[in-house]
Amino acid sequence: DQQVKQNSPSLSVQEGRISILNCDYTNSMFDYFLWYKKYPAEGPTFLISISSIKDKNEDGRFTVFLNKSAKHLSLHIVPSQPGDSAVYFCAAREYGNKLVFGAGTILRVKS
Amino acid sequence: DGGITQSPKYLFRKEGQNVTLSCEQNLNHDAMYWYRQDPGQGLRLIYYSQIVNDFQKGDIAEGYSVSREKKESFPLTVTSAQKNPTAFYLCASSTGQGLDEQFFGPGTRLTVL
Repeated sequence: DQQVKQNSPSLSVQEGRISILNCDYTNSMFDYFLWYKKYPAEGPTFLISISSIKDKNEDGRFTVFLNKSAKHLSLHIVPSQPGDSAVYFCAAREYGNKLVFGAGTILRVKS
Repeated sequence: DGGITQSPKYLFRKEGQNVTLSCEQNLNHDAMYWYRQDPGQGLRLIYYSQIVNDFQKGDIAEGYSVSREKKESFPLTVTSAQKNPTAFYLCASSTGQGLDEQFFGPGTRLTVL
């Protein structure tokens, strides 16, 4: 039973446009959400996070939105750049600092 | 530079052999984690340790073992009991305090021949 779901396996966006990656979760006890970016054969790198007491967090081109009532979060990248092409993982924190990861979304930014 | 190192990058083993994957961090982090990634799947937690000399099973601990004798080191042994050991293995660490993110190493690709 997947507690964190990324229902879109892939997304293709034109350079300069907005990329929106979505994530749904089922466990209302999650208190912290993170997005990681991963290139092939490398470890994930932390991108941005949001606490469950907030509904938005922004860092440069990256913004994460949290809708607790819908148990949904999204990552917006604007403007998208070719270097943003990677796999993006959504993760949620449960007890003991354990993270539960989604299956990932492959983002391709076309120039 | 502070960071997490994993060695080797690529590892091959024969069926029935145990193999140990190394993970070292110099970030002075208390917590360390081992994940496994398979194609088309997210990262799944194998084991984690929140403090030296203590560790807990994650979601898929069967066929794996760990030790945490030093703060900076958290080696993972893939035993012959692990039915499908071929995967990409990732080690991570965090402060273990508050709302902190986990930092990941570069990973080890294990292939069982």
